[in-house]
Amino acid sequence: AQKVTQAQTEISVVEKEDVTLDCVYETRDTTYYLFWYKQPPSGELVFLIRRNSFDEQNEISGRYSWNFQKSTSSFNFTITASQVVDSAVYFCALSESWDMRFGAGTRLTVKP
Amino acid sequence: DTGVSQDPRHKITKRGQNVTFRCDPISEHNRLYWYRQTLGQGPEFLTYFQNEAQLEKSRLLSDRFSAERPKGSFSTLEIQRTEQGDSAMYLCASSLPGTQETQYFGPGTRLLVL
Repeated sequence: AQKVTQAQTEISVVEKEDVTLDCVYETRDTTYYLFWYKQPPSGELVFLIRRNSFDEQNEISGRYSWNFQKSTSSFNFTITASQVVDSAVYFCALSESWDMRFGAGTRLTVKP
Repeated sequence: DTGVSQDPRHKITKRGQNVTFRCDPISEHNRLYWYRQTLGQGPEFLTYFQNEAQLEKSRLLSDRFSAERPKGSFSTLEIQRTEQGDSAMYLCASSLPGTQETQYFGPGTRLLVL
């Protein structure tokens, strides 16, 4: 069975601090995809990244970076030099086929 | 804007009433998904369509829930005889065909059952 755990329920940082959001997953499949979505107060889920299980290369996009480690079943998300606009709930998700399983989310608050 | 749209954005109803929500996917996406999100939780999958075919509906929460996509374009989600426990955000997403394609979400419909 697939499962996604985001152990950090809430994180609060001051602007310009770096912050890492943790995601640990469980799956029996060898082929799967991992995702991160952002949900700002408006409620709409915004897609951030998709990574397949065969690609462990880390990715950087501006202030965002992702670290995928199959050995520890983790797909962590780091925001560098956080900004107030980064305040949102962030969800990690796992997909083995058509079904996407989400974690419970981490609420990030960035204070000015 | 050509993203996923949902209507209404908010719905307040009394227990026992029926409600229907609409979702319009991104135009070239033939897959459409419905999720429910309760407070403090991640979205929970309900059902999905490929074109007009409903390929998975075993996770609809009860037989009071039903979904349609009659012409393979927009979809509706209906909840009959609503209960207070149905209060939640109902999210729609769409994707290109193929396994594990990225799903793009709409703004959701927030339902409150009094």
